Amino acid sequence: ETGVTQSPTHLIKTRGQQVTLRCSSQSGHNTVSWYQQALGQGPQFIFQYYREEENGRGNFPPRFSGLQFPNYSSELNVNALELDDSALYLCASSPKRTSGGYSSSTDTQYFGPGTRLTVL
Amino acid sequence: SQQGEEDPQALSIQEGENATMNCSYKTSINNLQWYRQNSGRGLVHLILIRSNEREKHSGRLRVTLDTSKKSSSLLITASRAADTASYFCATGRRDDKIIFGKGTRLHILP
Repeated sequence: ETGVTQSPTHLIKTRGQQVTLRCSSQSGHNTVSWYQQALGQGPQFIFQYYREEENGRGNFPPRFSGLQFPNYSSELNVNALELDDSALYLCASSPKRTSGGYSSSTDTQYFGPGTRLTVL
Repeated sequence: SQQGEEDPQALSIQEGENATMNCSYKTSINNLQWYRQNSGRGLVHLILIRSNEREKHSGRLRVTLDTSKKSSSLLITASRAADTASYFCATGRRDDKIIFGKGTRLHILP
């Protein structure tokens, strides 16, 4: 069973540029979530994708966008980079399950190793 | 904003002692999870406790959940040097969001 992988490992960009981060979910998982983790802070939820559609979003501006592909892999795109976008970006996959008529993807998250983005 | 708040922010104990971390949250949840992170790498899931459960064990880990007080605790017994890490609680909400706290940095002294 293959775990969650992310690429690239590290990335350096300048302010105003655009960046695309990639994530391959764990086998059998159909939900992908993205998090931003600033130094010394906990991960902040950016958004979640399920069946190629956005399924929830945190307090991030529209310049943060994403995609999920039919094989459940995902991309995070950030336009017009700002210095404060410097952070560790984490991708996590999970199975979306239905129980008692309620569908939830808030069970165990399987995290990738992250992409360290530095904006200069 | 982050929902979970861990307490303490940092904890240093001697190897072999027990470590207790607490987490408080604000809204109704499906579940509460604890994760560990070593040196800014990816997070590793430790344990999940559902809203209708009060206590759960996994190896040296014991988690309690009090939904009336909106709080949880993580106990690590017989700590080891390898337990040195940051520990985060995360609440699984009914709107399909998982919200993390700021974490507790645990340092095990030799």
